[in-house]
Amino acid sequence: AQSVSQHNHHVILSEAASLELGCNYSYGGTVNLFWYVQYPGQHLQLLLKYFSGDPLVKGIKGFEAEFIKSKFSFNLRKPSVQWSDTAEYFCAVIMGRDDKIIFGKGTRLHILP
Amino acid sequence: DVKVTQSSRYLVKRTGEKVFLECVQDMDHENMFWYRQDPGLGLRLIYFSYDVKMKEKGDIPEGYSVSREKKERFSLILESASTNQTSMYLCASSSSRSGLAGAHEQYFGPGTRLTVT
Repeated sequence: AQSVSQHNHHVILSEAASLELGCNYSYGGTVNLFWYVQYPGQHLQLLLKYFSGDPLVKGIKGFEAEFIKSKFSFNLRKPSVQWSDTAEYFCAVIMGRDDKIIFGKGTRLHILP
Repeated sequence: DVKVTQSSRYLVKRTGEKVFLECVQDMDHENMFWYRQDPGLGLRLIYFSYDVKMKEKGDIPEGYSVSREKKERFSLILESASTNQTSMYLCASSSSRSGLAGAHEQYFGPGTRLTVT
């Protein structure tokens, strides 16, 4: 079955630490890839997306993600996190030509000031 | 700016009541979606719609139905609310028009936190 896996359910970091959140999907065909973020009390919003081209994608607030097709992965990174990055992060994938997105279960990120 | 609005932020209903959750988008998007969000389970798709009067079951449609009479409006209906339907309900919309900036990206509403007692 098609699925999206996020390896870490809860991550705690200190400010200025580097961040990498893992995301893997199970599908061998064409994919569109997304990372969404939900800040406390706010609605889900897009952080970045990959459709085609350069597999290293830059998003808002200094986040980036790299699509590695051979590993079916789309990991999210930030070199130096801030307290304001405390949020829940969701990896999401469109598999094939459907417009239905499959979401991972989310990673809660808590940044210590 | 895309705007997706949901009729209520918080709702409290009794077991057995019929519940209507309304969602409206203002970007002429073809696709609309209803999810429920529960801690540790992420977002689970309940129903979606690619066009007016069309609907498709998602991963957890049991106990729910939907209505899409107009392009901009997508309603989620709980025929007989139960306590296990207490959750955060999220509506989203997207466009399939390739070449359009933001195509295929889902835009979310603020959510309705439903409590069934």
